[in-house]
Amino acid sequence: NAGVTQTPKFQVLKTGQSMTLQCAQDMNHNSMYWYRQDPGMGLRLIYYSASEGTTDKGEVPNGYNVSRLNKREFSLRLESAAPSQTSVYFCASSADRVNGYTFGSGTRLTVV
Amino acid sequence: AQSVTQPDIHITVSEGASLELRCNYSYGATPYLFWYVQSPGQGLQLLLKYFSGDTLVQGIKGFEAEFKRSQSSFNLRKPSVHWSDAAEYFCAVGARTGGFKTIFGAGTRLFVKA
Repeated sequence: NAGVTQTPKFQVLKTGQSMTLQCAQDMNHNSMYWYRQDPGMGLRLIYYSASEGTTDKGEVPNGYNVSRLNKREFSLRLESAAPSQTSVYFCASSADRVNGYTFGSGTRLTVV
Repeated sequence: AQSVTQPDIHITVSEGASLELRCNYSYGATPYLFWYVQSPGQGLQLLLKYFSGDTLVQGIKGFEAEFKRSQSSFNLRKPSVHWSDAAEYFCAVGARTGGFKTIFGAGTRLFVKA
């Protein structure tokens, strides 16, 4: 029962580099989400996918792109990393509105 | 605008003492309500949720929360805190219809002293 798996757990990038954060869930959930967590700001939604084949912008989408590869996988891409993207990134999934989210353990990203 | 406010950035309680963490929300209609806990270096874990019915809901680890519609509040309580409860707690609200998104508060960090 892995739940939501995120890779990598840690990453250091130089400004301008690109990378993709991977997320996979094994609970057959329809919806998946990417959040970033910054001190004192809680979690802010970057992008979400309500169902396979759909993606939508959240609160802070600039500088990011996403791909819902299939029902299990939802990746987040930084095309040209900036220091302002230094954060902890969480992927989450949910079956429906009522039962809340299952979160991954996070990716700590530092952009220098 | 939709928002979730957790007025206390951090709280310190003695082990064995009672705990109440505050949460207020601003929303167009009664949303679904959640509390999550985050231990250091970990993801968030769902503690409890409210969607309808009894306004006092029970969760895991001995936590409970009370929904008060008139005050737009959903405060988290525990009668007796254990040292292992030290963590960060997030209140969250989700829409019953429309966009399938959840809004999180900024969190309250709980410190437990012996």
